[in-house]
Amino acid sequence: NAGVTQTPKFRVLKTGQSMTLLCAQDMNHEYMYWYRQDPGMGLRLIHYSVGEGTTAKGEVPDGYNVSRLKKQNFLLGLESAAPSQTSVYFCASSYRPGQSYNEQFFGPGTRLTVL
Amino acid sequence: KQEVTQIPAALSVPEGENLVLNCSFTDSAIYNLQWFRQDPGKGLTSLLLIQSSQREQTSGRLNASLDKSSGRSTLYIAASQPGDSATYLCAVGGISGSARQLTFGSGTQLTVLP
Repeated sequence: NAGVTQTPKFRVLKTGQSMTLLCAQDMNHEYMYWYRQDPGMGLRLIHYSVGEGTTAKGEVPDGYNVSRLKKQNFLLGLESAAPSQTSVYFCASSYRPGQSYNEQFFGPGTRLTVL
Repeated sequence: KQEVTQIPAALSVPEGENLVLNCSFTDSAIYNLQWFRQDPGKGLTSLLLIQSSQREQTSGRLNASLDKSSGRSTLYIAASQPGDSATYLCAVGGISGSARQLTFGSGTQLTVLP
Protein backbone atom coordinates (compact mmCIF):
# COMPACT_ATOMS: atom_id res chain seq x y z
CA ASN A 1 0.00 0.00 0.00
CA ALA A 2 1.23 3.47 -0.88
CA GLY A 3 -0.67 5.09 2.01
CA VAL A 4 -1.20 8.82 1.44
CA THR A 5 0.44 10.37 -1.61
CA GLN A 6 0.59 14.00 -2.72
CA THR A 7 1.40 15.66 -6.02
CA PRO A 8 3.31 17.76 -6.79
CA LYS A 9 6.16 17.67 -4.25
CA PHE A 10 7.33 21.20 -5.04
CA ARG A 11 5.81 24.15 -6.88
CA VAL A 12 6.65 27.81 -7.44
CA LEU A 13 3.83 30.17 -8.40
CA LYS A 14 3.58 33.83 -9.19
CA THR A 15 1.07 35.98 -7.33
CA GLY A 16 -2.37 35.59 -8.88
CA GLN A 17 -1.75 32.21 -10.50
CA SER A 18 -3.91 29.23 -9.69
CA MET A 19 -3.09 25.60 -8.97
CA THR A 20 -4.51 22.37 -7.60
CA LEU A 21 -2.83 20.03 -5.14
CA LEU A 22 -3.84 16.39 -5.33
CA CYS A 23 -4.03 13.97 -2.42
CA ALA A 24 -4.74 10.27 -2.84
CA GLN A 25 -5.13 7.50 -0.25
CA ASP A 26 -5.48 3.75 -0.72
CA MET A 27 -6.54 2.83 2.83
CA ASN A 28 -10.29 3.10 2.27
CA HIS A 29 -10.44 5.97 4.75
CA GLU A 30 -13.58 8.04 5.11
CA TYR A 31 -12.01 11.23 6.44
CA MET A 32 -9.47 13.37 4.65
CA TYR A 33 -7.79 16.62 5.70
CA TRP A 34 -5.64 19.42 4.33
CA TYR A 35 -3.18 21.20 6.67
CA ARG A 36 -0.59 23.89 6.20
CA GLN A 37 2.63 24.04 8.22
CA ASP A 38 4.40 27.33 8.83
CA PRO A 39 7.48 27.99 10.99
CA GLY A 40 6.55 28.66 14.61
CA MET A 41 2.83 28.07 14.01
CA GLY A 42 2.56 24.31 13.85
CA LEU A 43 0.06 22.59 11.58
CA ARG A 44 -3.27 24.28 10.98
CA LEU A 45 -6.33 22.68 9.42
CA ILE A 46 -7.50 24.27 6.15
CA HIS A 47 -10.43 22.07 5.06
CA TYR A 48 -11.57 18.53 5.71
CA SER A 49 -14.01 15.96 4.39
CA VAL A 50 -15.96 13.24 6.18
CA GLY A 51 -16.92 11.41 3.02
CA GLU A 52 -17.24 11.47 -0.74
CA GLY A 53 -19.04 14.61 -1.88
CA THR A 54 -18.74 16.42 1.48
CA THR A 55 -16.32 19.15 2.58
CA ALA A 56 -16.07 21.51 5.55
CA LYS A 57 -13.97 24.48 6.63
CA GLY A 58 -11.17 24.18 9.12
CA GLU A 59 -9.27 26.83 11.03
CA VAL A 60 -7.74 28.73 8.06
CA PRO A 61 -9.96 28.18 4.97
CA ASP A 62 -9.75 31.61 3.31
CA GLY A 63 -8.18 31.59 -0.15
CA TYR A 64 -8.61 27.84 -0.63
CA ASN A 65 -11.25 25.55 -2.07
CA VAL A 66 -11.52 21.77 -1.95
CA SER A 67 -13.36 18.95 -3.63
CA ARG A 68 -13.91 15.26 -2.80
CA LEU A 69 -15.44 13.76 -5.92
CA LYS A 70 -14.00 10.31 -5.24
CA LYS A 71 -13.50 8.70 -1.85
CA GLN A 72 -9.79 8.17 -2.40
CA ASN A 73 -8.98 11.70 -3.63
CA PHE A 74 -9.06 15.12 -1.98
CA LEU A 75 -8.11 18.18 -4.03
CA LEU A 76 -6.96 21.54 -2.67
CA GLY A 77 -7.26 24.55 -4.99
CA LEU A 78 -5.75 27.99 -4.86
CA GLU A 79 -7.68 30.25 -7.22
CA SER A 80 -5.43 33.33 -6.94
CA ALA A 81 -2.22 32.59 -5.08
CA ALA A 82 -0.80 35.12 -2.62
CA PRO A 83 2.65 35.26 -0.97
CA SER A 84 0.95 34.53 2.38
CA GLN A 85 0.11 31.08 1.00
CA THR A 86 3.78 30.14 0.81
CA SER A 87 3.88 27.09 3.06
CA VAL A 88 4.21 23.34 3.24
CA TYR A 89 0.88 21.60 2.65
CA PHE A 90 0.08 18.22 4.14
CA CYS A 91 -2.78 15.91 3.39
CA ALA A 92 -3.97 13.31 5.89
CA SER A 93 -6.61 10.61 6.07
CA SER A 94 -8.24 8.57 8.82
CA TYR A 95 -11.07 6.28 9.89
CA ARG A 96 -12.18 3.08 8.27
CA PRO A 97 -15.87 2.17 8.88
CA GLY A 98 -16.18 -0.05 11.93
CA GLN A 99 -13.06 1.29 13.63
CA SER A 100 -13.44 2.60 17.17
CA TYR A 101 -10.51 4.97 16.83
CA ASN A 102 -9.41 7.78 14.53
CA GLU A 103 -5.68 7.71 13.78
CA GLN A 104 -4.53 10.18 11.15
CA PHE A 105 -1.95 9.22 8.52
CA PHE A 106 -0.04 11.89 6.63
CA GLY A 107 1.35 12.33 3.15
CA PRO A 108 4.90 13.57 2.41
CA GLY A 109 3.87 17.18 1.81
CA THR A 110 3.94 19.77 -0.98
CA ARG A 111 6.30 22.70 -0.63
CA LEU A 112 4.69 25.74 -2.27
CA THR A 113 6.37 29.09 -2.85
CA VAL A 114 4.37 32.08 -4.09
CA LEU A 115 6.48 34.92 -5.46
CA LYS B 1 -10.61 26.93 21.62
CA GLN B 2 -8.13 24.13 22.30
CA GLU B 3 -4.51 25.20 22.65
CA VAL B 4 -1.62 22.73 22.69
CA THR B 5 1.80 23.61 24.07
CA GLN B 6 5.02 21.66 23.87
CA ILE B 7 7.95 22.55 26.08
CA PRO B 8 10.86 22.69 25.50
CA ALA B 9 10.97 23.79 21.87
CA ALA B 10 14.37 22.13 21.49
CA LEU B 11 16.27 19.49 23.46
CA SER B 12 19.76 18.05 23.06
CA VAL B 13 20.83 14.90 24.91
CA PRO B 14 23.74 12.43 24.74
CA GLU B 15 23.10 9.01 23.29
CA GLY B 16 21.76 6.45 25.73
CA GLU B 17 19.82 8.86 27.91
CA ASN B 18 16.20 8.33 28.79
CA LEU B 19 14.14 11.43 28.09
CA VAL B 20 10.66 12.88 28.44
CA LEU B 21 8.87 15.23 26.06
CA ASN B 22 5.95 17.23 27.42
CA CYS B 23 2.63 18.25 25.92
CA SER B 24 -0.09 20.27 27.62
CA PHE B 25 -3.57 21.18 26.42
CA THR B 26 -6.16 23.63 27.71
CA ASP B 27 -9.43 21.72 27.20
CA SER B 28 -9.59 18.33 28.90
CA ALA B 29 -12.63 17.23 26.86
CA ILE B 30 -10.67 15.37 24.20
CA TYR B 31 -11.35 12.40 21.93
CA ASN B 32 -7.78 11.19 21.63
CA LEU B 33 -4.15 12.31 21.57
CA GLN B 34 -1.61 11.40 18.93
CA TRP B 35 2.19 11.71 18.97
CA PHE B 36 4.01 12.15 15.66
CA ARG B 37 7.60 12.24 14.50
CA GLN B 38 8.71 14.56 11.69
CA ASP B 39 12.12 14.37 10.03
CA PRO B 40 13.45 17.48 8.23
CA GLY B 41 11.66 18.04 4.93
CA LYS B 42 9.42 15.00 5.45
CA GLY B 43 5.86 14.24 6.40
CA LEU B 44 4.53 13.17 9.79
CA THR B 45 4.85 9.62 11.03
CA SER B 46 2.34 8.48 13.64
CA LEU B 47 4.09 7.06 16.72
CA LEU B 48 1.36 6.46 19.28
CA LEU B 49 -2.37 7.06 19.59
CA ILE B 50 -4.00 7.28 23.01
CA GLN B 51 -7.78 7.16 23.28
CA SER B 52 -9.39 9.43 25.88
CA SER B 53 -10.27 6.38 28.01
CA GLN B 54 -6.66 5.16 28.11
CA ARG B 55 -3.82 6.21 30.41
CA GLU B 56 -0.85 5.09 28.32
CA GLN B 57 0.37 3.37 25.18
CA THR B 58 3.69 1.69 24.46
CA SER B 59 5.56 0.89 21.28
CA GLY B 60 9.12 -0.42 21.57
CA ARG B 61 11.24 2.18 23.36
CA LEU B 62 8.39 4.70 23.35
CA ASN B 63 5.77 5.18 26.04
CA ALA B 64 3.12 7.87 25.97
CA SER B 65 0.93 8.76 28.93
CA LEU B 66 -2.23 10.79 29.16
CA ASP B 67 -3.68 12.66 32.15
CA LYS B 68 -6.83 14.37 30.94
CA SER B 69 -7.67 15.98 34.28
CA SER B 70 -4.42 17.92 34.33
CA GLY B 71 -4.32 18.45 30.56
CA ARG B 72 -0.97 16.73 30.11
CA SER B 73 0.69 14.04 28.05
CA THR B 74 4.28 12.87 28.09
CA LEU B 75 6.31 10.91 25.56
CA TYR B 76 9.05 8.84 27.18
CA ILE B 77 11.93 7.66 25.00
CA ALA B 78 14.17 5.02 26.54
CA ALA B 79 17.85 4.59 25.68
CA SER B 80 17.88 7.36 23.08
CA GLN B 81 19.78 6.89 19.81
CA PRO B 82 21.06 9.37 17.17
CA GLY B 83 18.36 8.01 14.86
CA ASP B 84 15.75 9.40 17.26
CA SER B 85 16.77 12.93 16.26
CA ALA B 86 13.67 14.59 14.80
CA THR B 87 10.85 16.94 15.70
CA TYR B 88 8.15 15.38 17.86
CA LEU B 89 4.63 16.73 17.57
CA CYS B 90 1.72 16.27 19.92
CA ALA B 91 -1.84 16.60 18.57
CA VAL B 92 -5.15 16.53 20.41
CA GLY B 93 -8.34 15.23 18.80
CA GLY B 94 -11.50 17.19 19.64
CA ILE B 95 -14.81 15.65 20.69
CA SER B 96 -16.83 18.17 18.74
CA GLY B 97 -16.86 18.16 14.97
CA SER B 98 -17.61 15.17 12.81
CA ALA B 99 -14.01 14.39 11.81
CA ARG B 100 -12.33 14.57 15.23
CA GLN B 101 -10.01 17.31 14.01
CA LEU B 102 -6.54 17.49 15.48
CA THR B 103 -5.04 20.55 17.14
CA PHE B 104 -1.25 20.49 17.00
CA GLY B 105 1.49 21.78 19.25
CA SER B 106 4.52 23.46 17.71
CA GLY B 107 6.76 20.50 18.45
CA THR B 108 9.96 19.67 20.30
CA GLN B 109 13.08 19.40 18.17
CA LEU B 110 15.18 16.57 19.62
CA THR B 111 18.88 16.07 18.91
CA VAL B 112 20.58 12.94 20.22
CA LEU B 113 24.33 13.33 20.18
CA PRO B 114 26.55 10.31 19.45
